[in-house]
Amino acid sequence: EIVLTQSPGTLSLSPGERATLSCRATQSVSKNSVAWYQQKPGQAPRLLIYAASTRATGIPDRFSGSGSGTDFTLTVSRLDSEDFAVYFCQQYGASPVTFGQGTRLEIK
Amino acid sequence: EVQLMESGGDFVQPGGSLRLSCAVTGFNFRNYGMSWVRQTPGKGLEWVSGVSGGGDAYYADSVKGRFTMSRDNSKNTLYLQMNSLRGDDTAVYYCVKETKFLGASHYDYWGQGALVSVSS
Repeated sequence: EIVLTQSPGTLSLSPGERATLSCRATQSVSKNSVAWYQQKPGQAPRLLIYAASTRATGIPDRFSGSGSGTDFTLTVSRLDSEDFAVYFCQQYGASPVTFGQGTRLEIK
Repeated sequence: EVQLMESGGDFVQPGGSLRLSCAVTGFNFRNYGMSWVRQTPGKGLEWVSGVSGGGDAYYADSVKGRFTMSRDNSKNTLYLQMNSLRGDDTAVYYCVKETKFLGASHYDYWGQGALVSVSS
C-alpha cells in the first residue's frame, strides 16, 4: 500500500503568515489522486482540496494545493484564526485508500 | 443539504458484535459509493470498507472476514456489521460519501462519527 508521510508534524505560525504543509508518498500517486482535509477538535474532517489542486465547494481561495508524482503540498496563503487545526492528506489513486498521519497547525 | 447520521456506536467486549448504521439525506444515494473510515489517536485515519452504488463491498485486510458492509438503497441507509471485535477496532467510525458510483475517490461529505469501544 502507499504510505503517506506528512511534514512537519506540528507547524507553529501566526495569523497572517503563510503555511506550507507537505505530503510525500512512497510511490507515485496515479492521476495525482490526492486530497487534503481539515479537522478541528470534536469535528469530522472537511474536504479542502482534491485531485491535488482543485478546491472543494466553498473553500476560500487562500487554500491551494500543488504537486505531482510523490510530492504534494497544501499552502494557506494568509492564515486566519479559523485555520488552526489538523490537516490530513489522502491518496485514492491505489487501493487501499490511505491517509497521512496529519500536520497540526497551531497558533504561535 | 447533505447529511450523514451514524448510529449504533457502543461499548462492547472483545469477541463481541456491533452494527453501525448511517442514514443519508440530501443526495441521490444509489448513485454513489460509500465508505467507512475510522480514526484513532494512535493510528490516525484508516479506511475500513467501501461499497459501490450497486452494492459490491470491499474491505481493508485488517477487517476482512470479520466486518460486513451493506447498503439499502430503498432506505438510504448504510450498514457495517462488525463481528469478532478486538481492542484495536476501538475508534471513531465515520460514514463518508464517495464522489463516484464505483472505485476509490476522495470523500466530499462525512458523518459526525460513532464511537466504538472494545474492552473487557
